[in-house]
Amino acid sequence: GENVEQHPSTLSVQEGDSAVIKCTYSDSASNYFPWYKQELGKRPQLIIDIRSNVGEKKDQRIAVTLNKTAKHFSLHITETQPEDSAVYFCAAPSNNDMRFGAGTRLTVKP
Amino acid sequence: DSGVTQTPKHLITATGQRVTLRCSPRSGDLSVYWYQQSLDQGLQFLIQYYNGEERAKGNILERFSAQQFPDLHSELNLSSLELGDSALYFCASSASGGLGEKLFFGSGTQLSVL
Repeated sequence: GENVEQHPSTLSVQEGDSAVIKCTYSDSASNYFPWYKQELGKRPQLIIDIRSNVGEKKDQRIAVTLNKTAKHFSLHITETQPEDSAVYFCAAPSNNDMRFGAGTRLTVKP
Repeated sequence: DSGVTQTPKHLITATGQRVTLRCSPRSGDLSVYWYQQSLDQGLQFLIQYYNGEERAKGNILERFSAQQFPDLHSELNLSSLELGDSALYFCASSASGGLGEKLFFGSGTQLSVL
């Protein structure tokens, strides 16, 4: 099955700086890579996703890049704001289910 | 609001007891997933159902079982509860459970075993 590794586990940045979270996956057949944001005590919410036929996707201040050869994908958040503080999870499909990374706790300091 | 409904929101029980968590998927979604999230931990996949049939199984203990009913709602049964079973249990749904589908999560059930 799929093995998803996520780094770093915690990340602290100053407001306005950029944040980058990286994930690697093991199943070369994986073709869909979503990112979820989970605020304290709330449900994980999909914020952006990418499919294997593209290398990059942007949505305002967030972007995801994919390197299929190296089997890794990254989340980029620019101009970070305090409301970006949350736990972020990457995921990749495994057989018929979705496997998640261990999560990155992002803290944006005002 | 994701459209996925989970009940109850909170559950407090004692060791050795049995509880049932309920999930109603988004309208039109046929597949339901269950995840366990312990304190400050990631999302551990438990089990997936599609249109009433079990499709994939993850790290689900033998004390735990689940099913999906003809109306597509799902229940997760946890028995002989232990302190370590205390966690947030999420249900998610997708259209057909295929690869590359978006998952929509419910608000979760917080289980506390005392």
